[in-house]
Amino acid sequence: EPEVTQTPSHQVTQMGQEVILRCVPISNHLYFYWYRQILGQKVEFLVSFYNNEISEKSEIFDDQFSVERPDGSNFTLKIRSTKLEDSAMYFCASSKRQIATNEKLFFGSGTQLSVL
Amino acid sequence: AQSVSQHNHHVILSEAASLELGCNYSYGGTVNLFWYVQYPGQHLQLLLKYFSGDPLVKGIKGFEAEFIKSKFSFNLRKPSVQWSDTAEYFCAVSGPNFGNEKLTFGTGTRLTIIP
Repeated sequence: EPEVTQTPSHQVTQMGQEVILRCVPISNHLYFYWYRQILGQKVEFLVSFYNNEISEKSEIFDDQFSVERPDGSNFTLKIRSTKLEDSAMYFCASSKRQIATNEKLFFGSGTQLSVL
Repeated sequence: AQSVSQHNHHVILSEAASLELGCNYSYGGTVNLFWYVQYPGQHLQLLLKYFSGDPLVKGIKGFEAEFIKSKFSFNLRKPSVQWSDTAEYFCAVSGPNFGNEKLTFGTGTRLTIIP
């Protein structure tokens, strides 16, 4: 089965630093997502991206966050100035069509971000 | 805000025991329902999903779930668990009132199977 890949698997950064989390979605997928899971809490939606623009975002996804699809294969999440509370596992996901259309969502293995 | 509740935070069972994990969602009209599993160190994998039709849905690895609209529930079941079912299980919902582009997850249930 095709996979969504995420790098790195673990990133450690100092508070206030910028981080970029990278994802390679499945090649023929058109919808891309970021979710995160703070330790011990639920998986939370951050943002969805389609046709080179954000289609939906949560209240967590404030001005410190941005997403980009810089080329035909990568999908990145940037946090401009990290805070301690940004420490979480960040999951990238992709799908061929909207998930509301009985479409399967494929998740990556996640990047564990630790902000010190 | 629309929400998903999983009341069992940690379930411990012996092998061959039967499993039922609860999932309830707040009212939201039309819903699509999912169960995901996360094995230790791995990514989230889809176990099964309900979009329409037969409310009893069969998934991979012998799991099934039943959508009961009147109870706003989508409980996950397996008649006989194995040690390899040890994992975290997440219920999730999508739909017009939850956001068509996103899944809203429950807090997860950690399942530990004792050999």
